[in-house]
Amino acid sequence: EVQLVESGGGLVKPGGSLRLSCTDSGLTFSSHTMNWVRQAPGKGLEWVSSISSSSGSIYYADSVKGRFTISRDNAKNSLYLQMNSLRAEDTAVYYCAREFDSRSRFDYWGQGVLVTVSS
Amino acid sequence: ELVLTQSPGTLSLSPGEKATLSCRASQSVSSSYLVWYQQKPGQAPRLLIYRASSRAAGIPDRFSGGGSGTDFTLTISRVEPEDFAVYYCQQYSSSPPGYTFGQGTKLEIK
Repeated sequence: EVQLVESGGGLVKPGGSLRLSCTDSGLTFSSHTMNWVRQAPGKGLEWVSSISSSSGSIYYADSVKGRFTISRDNAKNSLYLQMNSLRAEDTAVYYCAREFDSRSRFDYWGQGVLVTVSS
Repeated sequence: ELVLTQSPGTLSLSPGEKATLSCRASQSVSSSYLVWYQQKPGQAPRLLIYRASSRAAGIPDRFSGGGSGTDFTLTISRVEPEDFAVYYCQQYSSSPPGYTFGQGTKLEIK
């Protein structure tokens, strides 16, 4: 059974950094592309970043390019998002989501973790 | 840059009525990558429909998807009380590589 659990959220000042983690309790983590999707309070979903199973392909939304870094450790069934130079507009619930197969649907989602950027 | 526009923004219906939600793309897209999600307050999104018309595992057959090119539709044949939620469409884009979500349609109880 796939279960994605995010951690690492919290309150951070503008310009600060935070590292999110997502751990998969299932057995197939290393076979799937993983994504981060965020949702600002009261707003819709925004795709943030994706990383292929081997980390060979990595993509970012323009809104976070150059500030956020996605990575994974397949030995630990874990996905990460290093967030630097945080801005107020980065305040959101961040979800990790598993991609079923290439360029397709996100079939499993974590419960989300709240990141608040405020002074 | 691909833009997905969902309409209406809010749909007010009574249980038992038919719901028709629209997702329009700013350019022709592959139906292979058109996906619908349901999100209830305080919960993560849930996969409903993929490849424009295939139901995900465990999704009731009152949910159906269709469309091609730039116009896609999610239909709920008879809305049940548990269906009141926000619905998002999603599409993969290769230029630039990434995913785009529509802004969502809120299905509320009339």
